[in-house]
Amino acid sequence: SYELTQPPSVSVAPGETARIACGGDNIGSKSVHWFQQKPGQVPVLVISYDSDRPSGIPERLSGSNSGNTATLTITRVEAGDEADYYCQVWDSSSAVVFGGGTKLTVL
Amino acid sequence: QLQMQESGPGLVKPSETLSLTCTVSGDSISSSNYYWAWIRQTPGKRPEWIGAIYYTGSTYYTPSLRSRVTISVDTSKSKFSLKLTSMTAADTAVYYCARHRTPLSQPPDYWGQGTLVTVSS
Repeated sequence: SYELTQPPSVSVAPGETARIACGGDNIGSKSVHWFQQKPGQVPVLVISYDSDRPSGIPERLSGSNSGNTATLTITRVEAGDEADYYCQVWDSSSAVVFGGGTKLTVL
Repeated sequence: QLQMQESGPGLVKPSETLSLTCTVSGDSISSSNYYWAWIRQTPGKRPEWIGAIYYTGSTYYTPSLRSRVTISVDTSKSKFSLKLTSMTAADTAVYYCARHRTPLSQPPDYWGQGTLVTVSS
């Protein structure tokens, strides 16, 4: 089965840039989607197809994907960005796969 | 505006079968543009995709749960359902219904609010 690996936590000061990695075997050949989940809330799609932002998602959030790592980048981090972030791919044998999640803490 | 609402028991005994229903409103469950999915999440853990169904009845299940899962659809009632057999404590989770746009490789872009299911005697 296909596996996605994320760091458990990332901490950043307000106004700085946060980068959240998602590792997988040749993940660059797959489309990666990112979800944001705040405490007690439903996951929200924030990046699709590596770098597309759904309507309403601020431009401060962006994504990239190459080789064995996909990255979600959040610039000018705000307190409201504090959340768990999950990457997700479709794999032909495993179907929908989620990464283990990264807790973003705004210091 | 799409609305998806899960319903079912909040408490299930070990070894019993979980039955949940998702009622869809604001969009057609019979649309060829969507798949309808079940996803669960243990608090503090990653979401786990259970499976999905197309309006025609075609189903797709995650390999690890395939032997225990059945997803069905009732287009006349705009509902789809999940049955998960042989429940154990490890199945305690918040269960979400969700929508994928076609093809199924698209991400689940809309989720219901979720319903907590606890497995306990």
